[in-house]
Amino acid sequence: DAGITQSPRHKVTETGTPVTLRCHQTENHRYMYWYRQDPGHGLRLIHYSYGVKDTDKGEVSDGYSVSRSKTEDFLLTLESATSSQTSVYFCAIRPVLGYNEQFFGPGTRLTVL
Amino acid sequence: AQSVAQPEDQVNVAEGNPLTVKCTYSVSGNPYLFWYVQYPNRGLQFLLKYITGDNLVKGSYGFEAEFNKSQTSFHLKKPSALVSDSALYFCAVRVGGGGADGLTFGKGTHLIIQP
Repeated sequence: DAGITQSPRHKVTETGTPVTLRCHQTENHRYMYWYRQDPGHGLRLIHYSYGVKDTDKGEVSDGYSVSRSKTEDFLLTLESATSSQTSVYFCAIRPVLGYNEQFFGPGTRLTVL
Repeated sequence: AQSVAQPEDQVNVAEGNPLTVKCTYSVSGNPYLFWYVQYPNRGLQFLLKYITGDNLVKGSYGFEAEFNKSQTSFHLKKPSALVSDSALYFCAVRVGGGGADGLTFGKGTHLIIQP
């Protein structure tokens, strides 16, 4: 599992409320990613990070923000959740040396009512 | 912009028969190509990758994939399917080289192996 945990694993919230999802890694990897998975769309990149306080937008970043104040934690925030953000969210890491593939966490299932 | 197409939503194969899951890609530059598998209610597991070198790459669980530059394809194959291979399969691409770029995924193909 590449030492990646995500919390919470399941969450139900209401439209308009803020939500923060956490990705935690134990192996000091530099690169971290947030994706969302929706039927018929595969996985789509939301944001990624290439170091502490270094982040950039992905394909579907509108409505999301991220923060990385420590190497091991990458937070995804929905400032005001909408029903269109109901999805399964995956965090991933990519080791810098010797790898090109990414390794994924177990996912967080978010339902926005 | 880069993209991945998996033209089949579902592939049905009898156990013991060979299987192929198709993937074509579009990218500006040299492609790094990947296959992942997802079992129900689980995360994605890495199967194999093409970075450079031999066009036929071998991965986990007896899977292999063939990189075809002229056809911009990277089809996943297995000589003899198992019922336990039934899962959702994703092809992904990124532009080769260093950097933190994320992956672009296809929409996924459900592989169903019938006993």
